[in-house]
Amino acid sequence: TQLLEQSPQFLSIQEGENLTVYCNSSSVFSSLQWYRQEPGEGPVLLVTVVTGGEVKKLKRLTFQFGDARKDSSLHITAAQPGDTGLYLCAGEVIQGAQKLVFGQGTRLTINP
Amino acid sequence: EAQVTQNPRYLITVTGKKLTVTCSQNMNHEYMSWYRQDPGLGLRQIYYSMNVEVTDKGDVPEGYKVSRKEKRNFPLILESPSPNQTSLYFCASSLRRQINSPLHFGNGTRLTVT
Repeated sequence: TQLLEQSPQFLSIQEGENLTVYCNSSSVFSSLQWYRQEPGEGPVLLVTVVTGGEVKKLKRLTFQFGDARKDSSLHITAAQPGDTGLYLCAGEVIQGAQKLVFGQGTRLTINP
Repeated sequence: EAQVTQNPRYLITVTGKKLTVTCSQNMNHEYMSWYRQDPGLGLRQIYYSMNVEVTDKGDVPEGYKVSRKEKRNFPLILESPSPNQTSLYFCASSLRRQINSPLHFGNGTRLTVT
């Protein structure tokens, strides 16, 4: 069962545009992590959000955790070609032991 | 340099021929895990280990084995590979498996089973 749905799965935009990627679930998460993966490499952690409603900024990237801790968004302002990559959200679900569940990913392409 | 090292990076094999993908981390992490990544399905956990000699099944453990005899190593074993195990495999580790403990991933092993 896929607990985390990311949308869109593919996004191709021009340099300088803004975009938002969504990560949604019907489950409550104790925290949510965002990773970026580039071709030939493993995912690299960008940010972890823990508190409902929390907003974190990483340069031009803004991450928000939903108030109910069921969803999250990643907003990129003035996208650059260097932002190109696969973005993955991952939620921590407490099921006895803590478990990290990944979304399908959003493949982002920023065209010069 | 702190890292998770997987070998090999690429592997092509035939159905039924046993293989091992090695994973080693130099960060003294307690927690290690194996994932497979398939288009449209994201990362799915195969097995994980909370510490030495402690392993447990993830979401898709069928056809795989693991061992954790030393803290730094966590090999993935396919006793009799089948074509549906063709995938991109990632090993990951973290200091411990708890909230805010980020995963550090290796660079992946692309496996093709014919």
